[in-house]
Amino acid sequence: DGGITQSPKYLFRKEGQNVTLSCEQNLNHDAMYWYRQDPGQGLRLIYYSQIVNDFQKGDIAEGYSVSREKKESFPLTVTSAQKNPTAFYLCASSPTGTRYTDTQYFGPGTRLTVL
Amino acid sequence: GENVGLHLPTLSVQEGDNSIINCAYSNSASDYFIWYKQESGKGPQFIIDIRSNMDKRQGQRVTVLLNKTVKHLSLQIAATQPGDSAVYFCAEGITYNTDKLIFGTGTRLQVFP
Repeated sequence: DGGITQSPKYLFRKEGQNVTLSCEQNLNHDAMYWYRQDPGQGLRLIYYSQIVNDFQKGDIAEGYSVSREKKESFPLTVTSAQKNPTAFYLCASSPTGTRYTDTQYFGPGTRLTVL
Repeated sequence: GENVGLHLPTLSVQEGDNSIINCAYSNSASDYFIWYKQESGKGPQFIIDIRSNMDKRQGQRVTVLLNKTVKHLSLQIAATQPGDSAVYFCAEGITYNTDKLIFGTGTRLQVFP
């Protein structure tokens, strides 16, 4: 897991609620990413940020929002517009955002369950 | 674990044997490849990477082989141990390109005594 922390480990949400997942890194990495993992599928990119105060949509951004106000923090909000939010969410970071294919290092993940 | 796939291909090996896990990648333009290990309920852990100017790279007990002709990547684990039991997946990417890393679905490695 390195210097990437995610909280909480488990999160339960009622339908119609927004929830925010935390991701913090102390690796001084420029780039940060959010992925979603579902059984039988590869990781899918939700949002990524190559530098503070800037972020881009990934392949499945609908129903999610992010912010990058500090280099070390990249919180993800799962909104009520996300139709199937139950999944395992992974945050990652890489040293530089200018070379997108730098190695990405992952946090321990947050398991979100919608009740 | 429920978050890493219920119907993944599985490789079962005996402790002490060598393991070979394969990955077919999709984009002939990809020039950077990574292997990750994911234990149940945990985030993926970086194992080893390789760039397309190489066809082999070795780490501690692991070797990655790259065959660009057939777009195939393999991870070899020597003297497999019970702690190696996990899901292993590859990722591909293109340097200096806005394309993202593309992740495979993974192979489950089971090590039995």
